[in-house]
Amino acid sequence: GENVEQHPSTLSVQEGDSAVIKCTYSDSASNYFPWYKQELGKRPQLIIDIRSNVGEKKDQRIAVTLNKTAKHFSLHITETQPEDSAVYFCAASKNTGFQKLVFGTGTRLLVSP
Amino acid sequence: GAVVSQHPSRVICKSGTSVKIECRSLDFQATTMFWYRQFPKQSLMLMATSNEGSKATYEQGVEKDKFLINHASLTLSTLTVTSAHPEDSSFYICSATGINEKLFFGSGTQLSVL
Repeated sequence: GENVEQHPSTLSVQEGDSAVIKCTYSDSASNYFPWYKQELGKRPQLIIDIRSNVGEKKDQRIAVTLNKTAKHFSLHITETQPEDSAVYFCAASKNTGFQKLVFGTGTRLLVSP
Repeated sequence: GAVVSQHPSRVICKSGTSVKIECRSLDFQATTMFWYRQFPKQSLMLMATSNEGSKATYEQGVEKDKFLINHASLTLSTLTVTSAHPEDSSFYICSATGINEKLFFGSGTQLSVL
């Protein structure tokens, strides 16, 4: 089955810096890659997603890139703010109509003022 | 985004009792709902997938007789932890998807079994 690896497990940056989180997946049939932000004790919130027919997607300070050949995708956050501090999960799915997501292990992002 | 409601948010129970957790999609019809458990500082582990009107599909290693899932309507799925034990203590969270194919999560239930 699908296996998603995520790095780093923790990431500390200064406010205003950029943060990059990387994920790799094993199943070349995967075609949907969402990113979730989870604050302590709260539900994961979808922040951005990308499908396999595009290589990059951007939404304000957040962008995701996808390299299908290498089977990896990355989350880029620019101009980080303290409120960006949270755990971020990547995920992969090969059934866009079924959404059985396999999650990465998570990255704890800490943005210091 | 769509709203998925999950109740209760927190439950404490005695060992051996059963606990029911509800997951409702409030503003869309959820053709598929998923149940996960999450241990502290760990990722979400899929327990089972439920489609309205059919039996749930459980992931390997998840006891279907212990974690009963019912998806009786397009807006409601329930997870019942039967004969709960301390090792079942965890954060349980549901998610739902509909025709727009995006996945939305419930707010989670922190279960503590004494």
